[in-house]
Amino acid sequence: GAGVSQSPRYKVAKRGQDVALRCDPISGHVSLFWYQQALGQGPEFLTYFQNEAQLDKSGLPSDRFFAERPEGSVSTLKIQRTQQEDSAVYLCASSFLKGANEAFFGQGTRLTVV
Amino acid sequence: AQSVTQLDSHVSVSEGTPVLLRCNYSSSYSPSLFWYVQHPNKGLQLLLKYTSAATLVKGINGFEAEFKKSETSFHLTKPSAHMSDAAEYFCVVSDDNFNKFYFGSGTKLNVKP
Repeated sequence: GAGVSQSPRYKVAKRGQDVALRCDPISGHVSLFWYQQALGQGPEFLTYFQNEAQLDKSGLPSDRFFAERPEGSVSTLKIQRTQQEDSAVYLCASSFLKGANEAFFGQGTRLTVV
Repeated sequence: AQSVTQLDSHVSVSEGTPVLLRCNYSSSYSPSLFWYVQHPNKGLQLLLKYTSAATLVKGINGFEAEFKKSETSFHLTKPSAHMSDAAEYFCVVSDDNFNKFYFGSGTKLNVKP
């Protein structure tokens, strides 16, 4: 497809379960970003990749959160031992340029931890 | 540090009347500012951006925004609202490397027939 694709669109996890969220950026896009959007709030930065290099992970809320982009295209955000406060929409964005001057967002994955 | 404040969480207008969504920013340098729109079950879509060129920025769907440094504002306007404009709007400031966006808390726009 032409846009940023995220899967699954919806995920329900039991507390303590591990989850993996996938992002397929637009082909050829150098930069990839993950954001977390809690209900009723604006998205908050989690992490940034330039190709396969994770240049900024300052927004990851705990060491239970881990992101990778091993071949510089598809990225996975993994959350271990999920907790209720992890419930949110996780947004992925990609940009052709280094940085987010022209970032395109996916529809997000809505994670609900029960 | 960078941040944005969206002054209204909800705005309601009648179709055909002007739209004003307010945003104030805080930045330690000359900022890059954006407005994004989020329709239900759709991804965030870029409306317009300011990156130190013209202070009046025109975007898609008839929206525009004016960068006012003296007021640290970047308000979004549209002369005449359409029903299809009903959505949530986010004001965003970027860090100086465009590596990170700081989003406001959003303004939900309701358009009445």
